[in-house]
Amino acid sequence: GAGVSQSPRYKVAKRGQDVALRCDPISGHVSLFWYQQALGQGPEFLTYFQNEAQLDKSGLPSDRFFAERPEGSVSTLKIQRTQQEDSAVYLCATARELNEKLFFGSGTQLSVL
Amino acid sequence: KNEVEQSPQNLTAQEGEFITINCSYSVGISALHWLQQHPGGGIVSLFMLSSGKKKHGRLIATINIQEKHSSLHITASHPRDSAVYICALHQGGSEKLVFGKGTKLTVNP
Repeated sequence: GAGVSQSPRYKVAKRGQDVALRCDPISGHVSLFWYQQALGQGPEFLTYFQNEAQLDKSGLPSDRFFAERPEGSVSTLKIQRTQQEDSAVYLCATARELNEKLFFGSGTQLSVL
Repeated sequence: KNEVEQSPQNLTAQEGEFITINCSYSVGISALHWLQQHPGGGIVSLFMLSSGKKKHGRLIATINIQEKHSSLHITASHPRDSAVYICALHQGGSEKLVFGKGTKLTVNP
C-alpha cells in the first residue's frame, strides 16, 4: 500500500477484555516497530521485528502484551485482560531497513473503560 | 535525567518568524530523527541525521555529534507548521528509538 495502515483507528474496550491491533506495513519494509504513546507524552518503545523475527520485546509492559508478525508482513499487537492504564495511542512504524527513514501509521487509540 | 531533552516545551510564533527547536542528548547515537506530529496522531519523519546538516524546503536540521546537540529550524514559519516536533534517537548498537517529549509549536497568522 501507499503507507503504513493501522486498524482499528479507535477501539473502546471494557476492562478485562482482550484486544488485537493490526499494522499493515509498506510492502517490502523489513523493520517494524510498535510504540505506545500516552496522552501528552512522547512515544515509548514496545517491540521490534526484523521480518518475522521479534528481535526486541523489552518494552512490552507486562506479559499481557503480545506481538507477532508471522509472515514478516502484517503485525498484530494483542493485549489481554486490558486495564485502564493500557489506554493510549498505539503506533506502528516501519522502515525498509533498520536505521532508515521511518514511516508511521496513524495509530490506534485505545480507551479502556 | 532523560536521555533526550527538548527545548522549548512550548513555542508560540507569529507567521513569518524563524523558529529554532533544540534537542540535547546524553548517550552515544547512530542516528537522530526529527518527527512532526499533527493533532490526531499522525507522525511524519522529517529528517534522519547522523552528521552535519540537511535541508528540505523551509526546514533545516543540524547535528553536532561532539556536543550531543541537534537543532531543527523553520524559516518563514506558517500556521500549517503548527504541530508537535519530536526528536528521537537511535542509540548506538540498538534498534530502539528513544523519543523526546516533543515541542509544541503554534504559529499564529
